[in-house]
Amino acid sequence: GQNIDQPTEMTATEGAIVQINCTYQTSGFNGLFWYQQHAGEAPTFLSYNVLDGLEEKGRFSSFLSRSKGYSYLLLKELQMKDSASYLCAAMDSNYQLIWGAGTKLIIKP
Amino acid sequence: ETGVTQTPRHLVMGMTNKKSLKCEQHLGHNAMYWYKQSAKKPLELMFVYSLEERVENNSVPSRFSPECPNSSHLFLHLHTLQPEDSALYLCASSLEGEGTYNEQFFGPGTRLTVL
Repeated sequence: GQNIDQPTEMTATEGAIVQINCTYQTSGFNGLFWYQQHAGEAPTFLSYNVLDGLEEKGRFSSFLSRSKGYSYLLLKELQMKDSASYLCAAMDSNYQLIWGAGTKLIIKP
Repeated sequence: ETGVTQTPRHLVMGMTNKKSLKCEQHLGHNAMYWYKQSAKKPLELMFVYSLEERVENNSVPSRFSPECPNSSHLFLHLHTLQPEDSALYLCASSLEGEGTYNEQFFGPGTRLTVL
């Protein structure tokens, strides 16, 4: 079956760095997405990886290893506004997104 | 107009009621989606419309009925729901085709409570 695994919750300190991991198993693969969702709001797109390697976008970076079925989202210089849920989703051979349950990130001062 | 809008934002209904959720996108996209989001569970894809034709329904109970009159509007008609249907219902849209990676843009959701 198709499956996405990511930690349920993580805690980090303001100004620090945190890495949120995601492993996936899908029928075919057409890319890996990360979304951010603040409580009570819509998910918003953060990143897309389809090739192996690291994509950097400001304070956020996303990494993909297709051979390992693994991705991570790296958040640097954490700010209180980064407290949110981070959703990992893999696109299968039918171009449908398979979603993880999300990682709730709590930032402490 | 913001990208994807949904109405109502909150809805409380009894099990015998009939109601509809509305979604509208102003992004020129050609695909629209309904998702169910329950606490601590992955997003559940309910329906996909591509070029106004339904392409996926994922064994959703018949008490949920989608309608896509055009590429900008999507409805979810609800009738005789159960308390376990209480959840956040999210609409999304995307641009499918060559040269795109089909990033989905989400609306703010409708928080549904079934009594």
